[in-house]
Amino acid sequence: DGGITQSPKYLFRKEGQNVTLSCEQNLNHDAMYWYRQDPGQGLRLIYYSQIVNDFQKGDIAEGYSVSREKKESFPLTVTSAQKNPTAFYLCASSMRRSGSNEQFFGPGTRLTVL
Amino acid sequence: GDSVTQMEGPVTLSEEAFLTINCTYTATGYPSLFWYVQYPGEGLQLLLKATKADDKGSNKGFEATYRKETTSFHLEKGSVQVSDSAVYFCAPGYSGAGSYQLTFGKGTKLSVIP
Repeated sequence: DGGITQSPKYLFRKEGQNVTLSCEQNLNHDAMYWYRQDPGQGLRLIYYSQIVNDFQKGDIAEGYSVSREKKESFPLTVTSAQKNPTAFYLCASSMRRSGSNEQFFGPGTRLTVL
Repeated sequence: GDSVTQMEGPVTLSEEAFLTINCTYTATGYPSLFWYVQYPGEGLQLLLKATKADDKGSNKGFEATYRKETTSFHLEKGSVQVSDSAVYFCAPGYSGAGSYQLTFGKGTKLSVIP
C-alpha cells in the first residue's frame, strides 16, 4: 500500500539532546513537508522540500534541521536550540505540479521533552 | 500574508443535527480550497476540495462550496454521526516562488453526542 510512514509514534527526549524524526513515503511524490501542531493550534510549517537535495525554511524553522538526500525520505532533527520542542509533528507529501496539490499526511510523531 | 479564519470551537451537537463550520480566507490570487479532518491521535486526512469558483466539494455527506465573492468555503453536513467527532481544518492552497503550500486554520473540534 502506498503511503507515508513516520517513526517513532512516541518519542521522549531529555533537555539538551538532539533527536531525529523519520518520514518515508512511497507515493513517488516530489514535495515533502514538516509541520508542528500544538494543542488548540493549526499546523505551522517548519521546513519543506520540492526536490531532492533542496529544502526551504517555513514559518518556524529555528531550532530544526532537515535533509533530503533521497526522494522517499525527509528526516527532521529537533536540536537543543529548539526551546519548546514538545509537540505533535506531522510529515506530508504532495505531487509537484500546478493546480490543486493536495497533501497526504503521515500518522505523526508525538515528541515530549522530559 | 495569506491567512484563513475558521469558526472557533469546540462545537457540540446531538446526533442527526445539522453542521456548519465557517471558513474564510484572504483572496491572494486564486487558491484551491481544502477541508481536512483529524481523528484523535492521528494525522490529517483530506475530506474534500474545490479548485475554482462555484465548485462544490463533497465526501461522506460533507459538502463545501467555493464562494469567490465572499472568499468563503463553509463546511456543512445535514445529519452528523458520533463517528464524525474530530477536528476539522480549512486550508487554502497558494502557489508562489516555485512552490505550492497550504495555510491551515486553527481547527474546529466537533463532538457529536448520541
